[in-house]
Amino acid sequence: GAVVSQHPSRVICKSGTSVKIECRSLDFQATTMFWYRQFPKKSLMLMATSNEGSKATYEQGVEKDKFLINHASLTLSTLTVTSAHPEDSSFYICSARVHRGSGRAGYNEQFFGPGTRLTVL
Amino acid sequence: SQKIEQNSEALNIQEGKTATLTCNYTNYSPAYLQWYRQDPGRGPVFLLLIRENEKEKRKERLKVTFDTTLKQSLFHITASQPADSATYLCALMNTGGFKTIFGAGTRLFVKA
Repeated sequence: GAVVSQHPSRVICKSGTSVKIECRSLDFQATTMFWYRQFPKKSLMLMATSNEGSKATYEQGVEKDKFLINHASLTLSTLTVTSAHPEDSSFYICSARVHRGSGRAGYNEQFFGPGTRLTVL
Repeated sequence: SQKIEQNSEALNIQEGKTATLTCNYTNYSPAYLQWYRQDPGRGPVFLLLIRENEKEKRKERLKVTFDTTLKQSLFHITASQPADSATYLCALMNTGGFKTIFGAGTRLFVKA
């Protein structure tokens, strides 16, 4: 269980175009999903927290008009890179949070999608 | 600022040996610490979680220790196999898991 998919896995686009990346939780409902960006040999950088039915919460330094996030259902969050430029080329990864256990023994676990490699020419 | 340090140099070991990876952190009091495996071009895969009040956790050939005084976690893979070759990420979560901070990972190579 707890499988997260992303589509597309790879995308190449021209500078100035917009690209939409989908993140789906396949066998569970996720009220909260996260979008990360990862550069080669670097750590995952949290871009934003996507909450179903409400506006996303963006991390400092991330342009919300540039990276549009929509979490329209409990199984789908989308990230749209608007007017993409070569510096937006990166590996984008989403994750969904699942709560395990209950009470003091409870904890949150994140399940990651396979990632989307974006290349902007 | 909050910081996680993992050995940026790759770890090369012989098959059958125990691999030990280190995760150090500063300016953070995590409720949980997690270890993930990431293969090239793929998303991270969850391996183990250890809470702040736990000293050690095991899962098959994996063992994680958590020392909140030293602000350090050690990740061990016993009887390592070439298939264990990957990048291993350390991640810290606060209570509720609202914020997770990831280390840059350590690349492990297991030679046959």
